[in-house]
Amino acid sequence: DAGVTQSPTHLIKTRGQQVTLRCSPKSGHDTVSWYQQALGQGPQFIFQYYEEEERQRGNFPDRFSGHQFPNYSSELNVNALLLGDSALYLCASSLQGAEGYTFGSGTRLTVV
Amino acid sequence: AQSVTQPDIHITVSEGASLELRCNYSYGATPYLFWYVQSPGQGLQLLLKYFSGDTLVQGIKGFEAEFKRSQSSFNLRKPSVHWSDAAEYFCAVGARGNNNDMRFGAGTRLTVKP
Repeated sequence: DAGVTQSPTHLIKTRGQQVTLRCSPKSGHDTVSWYQQALGQGPQFIFQYYEEEERQRGNFPDRFSGHQFPNYSSELNVNALLLGDSALYLCASSLQGAEGYTFGSGTRLTVV
Repeated sequence: AQSVTQPDIHITVSEGASLELRCNYSYGATPYLFWYVQSPGQGLQLLLKYFSGDTLVQGIKGFEAEFKRSQSSFNLRKPSVHWSDAAEYFCAVGARGNNNDMRFGAGTRLTVKP
């Protein structure tokens, strides 16, 4: 049974570019949450998707957007990349109404 | 909104010694509480969680944590640390009925001396 898978594992982008990160949830999970973890910090909640809609959002600008597909997989898009967007982006899946997340291994984004 | 404080940024213990990592939370009701461990370059692995019931929670890898409502704490303990326990440890708090709003502390980095 596959857990949460994220792609790509590493990515280097230039400031001002756009990036798309992908996440496939654990089998049986219907909810996907995205977190940003800057170096030396704890994960910060970006947003969560359920039933193909954004349900909750953390304190992130509109440059951060997402999508959830009918098969529950999700994408995180970041536009107009800034150097400060360099971080590990974690995807976590869960079953709505149940407690606890399963995390993927993350995508390491470097903006140069 | 709920929040988490991990007072210790970095802790060093000798292998075989006991360990306690501190976690204090802020939330208006009884929260969901979690401890995760992260090895360098890796994602987060759940060590244990508290939802209700017995306030002493057992987790994987010999870890346990105790929920103390009066102190708003959920400290992580291990009686004898192994070199492989060296990692970053994160405490997290989730709002009841809303598992999409989980907040993490800044983490405690554990170094294990031989």
